[in-house]
Amino acid sequence: GNSVTQMEGPVTLSEEAFLTINCTYTATGYPSLFWYVQYPGEGLQLLLKATKADDKGSNKGFEATYRKETTSFHLEKGSVQVSDSAVYFCALTFYNKLIFGAGTRLAVHP
Amino acid sequence: EAGVVQSPRYKIIEKKQPVAFWCNPISGHNTLYWYRQNLGQGPELLIRYENEEAVDDSQLPKDRFSAERLKGVDSTLKIQPAELGDSAVYLCASSPQVRREPYEQYFGPGTRLTVT
Repeated sequence: GNSVTQMEGPVTLSEEAFLTINCTYTATGYPSLFWYVQYPGEGLQLLLKATKADDKGSNKGFEATYRKETTSFHLEKGSVQVSDSAVYFCALTFYNKLIFGAGTRLAVHP
Repeated sequence: EAGVVQSPRYKIIEKKQPVAFWCNPISGHNTLYWYRQNLGQGPELLIRYENEEAVDDSQLPKDRFSAERLKGVDSTLKIQPAELGDSAVYLCASSPQVRREPYEQYFGPGTRLTVT
């Protein structure tokens, strides 16, 4: 079936460190891929998306590239801030349905 | 622009009691979704509406869950009777009516339900 697997958290980093959160997927066909972020006490927000192989989504310094050959969509940021502390969800669409990974909690300390 | 509004934000009930959640989507969004998010998990779709029509309710436990969107705007999700395993965050999301993927879903803050 269609599914998303994310690296387990929490991920704890110092401010200005490099971030990678791994995401791999299993899907029939060619899904679109997303990263959503959930800040404490808030709803999920779309962070970035990619619609086809080799597309790179980017927003707020975060990037992810749709890798069809490795079925991956890893999230990266060159220099994290304390304000990036949140839960990050990788997701794919399948027949108008969003399928989410379990989420990865990121904690950034000064 | 106002976002997706949900109420209540928190609800604590005893098992076997009924409970209802309300959602007001973003103005002009025809598509409305209800998700359940268990602790430490990603959201899972319960039901999707296109206007008033429930077009995907395959994951809705119909023995105890019901939903409605009578005028194609606000929606209510009900559980009767609630069970301990229903403790979760219930999320509402909306999106513009689209015919092709991809599309963006806008999420509300959720209702955290605790069943004791």
